[in-house]
Amino acid sequence: DVVMTQTPVSLSLAIGQPASISCKSSQSLLGTSGKTFLNWILQRPGQSPKRLIYQVSKLYSEVPDRFSGSGSETEFTLKISRVEAEDLGVYYCWQGTHFPLTFGSGTKLEIK
Amino acid sequence: EVKLVESGGGLVLPGASLKLSCIVSGFTFSDYWMRWVRQAPGKGLEFIGEIKPDGSKTNYAPSMKGRFTISRDNAKNTLYLQMSSVRSEDTATYYCAITTYWGQGVMVTVSS
Repeated sequence: DVVMTQTPVSLSLAIGQPASISCKSSQSLLGTSGKTFLNWILQRPGQSPKRLIYQVSKLYSEVPDRFSGSGSETEFTLKISRVEAEDLGVYYCWQGTHFPLTFGSGTKLEIK
Repeated sequence: EVKLVESGGGLVLPGASLKLSCIVSGFTFSDYWMRWVRQAPGKGLEFIGEIKPDGSKTNYAPSMKGRFTISRDNAKNTLYLQMSSVRSEDTATYYCAITTYWGQGVMVTVSS
């Protein structure tokens, strides 16, 4: 299975500060289709996961543009340009290139 | 509006069987691969398996093979997860999902 390693485990940031979360995979996530199926989701406290980003850098329509994703092959980053109160929760990266799909262990974002 | 609503969870004895359901609306159920993912209390996300749109093929994470069976009824817009010989380690919230949306989850507690 592809191992997804996320860092840091947790972040404590004030509103307005930038955030950066790293996700590294044990194998390249570039698929035979030429696409990289690396995604990000957010699980707010007491809720189910919600979609954020797909194929490394593509934001879903409802996601604010303060979020961005980047990376390639085995190294990926989620950035929030200016953290807002609603951004608290646990962020997970997950890959869908190789079966079985696997998740990172999560990064908990707390608001100071 | 896309909705995925799981049901059928609860407290079960070790060794028992349990069948979870997920009723969906807001999208064409029969067009999508459907997945089950679980989350043990305070832990990360774990992929269980998936089923092809027409129900003709299922894929399971290697660690889940044997005790879990995924099925679907496209006429009822319903996904199922049959769990057998449950163990304490199966205590978790179980989510049905497509790539872009997740249900609210259903809790399964295995305890004597």
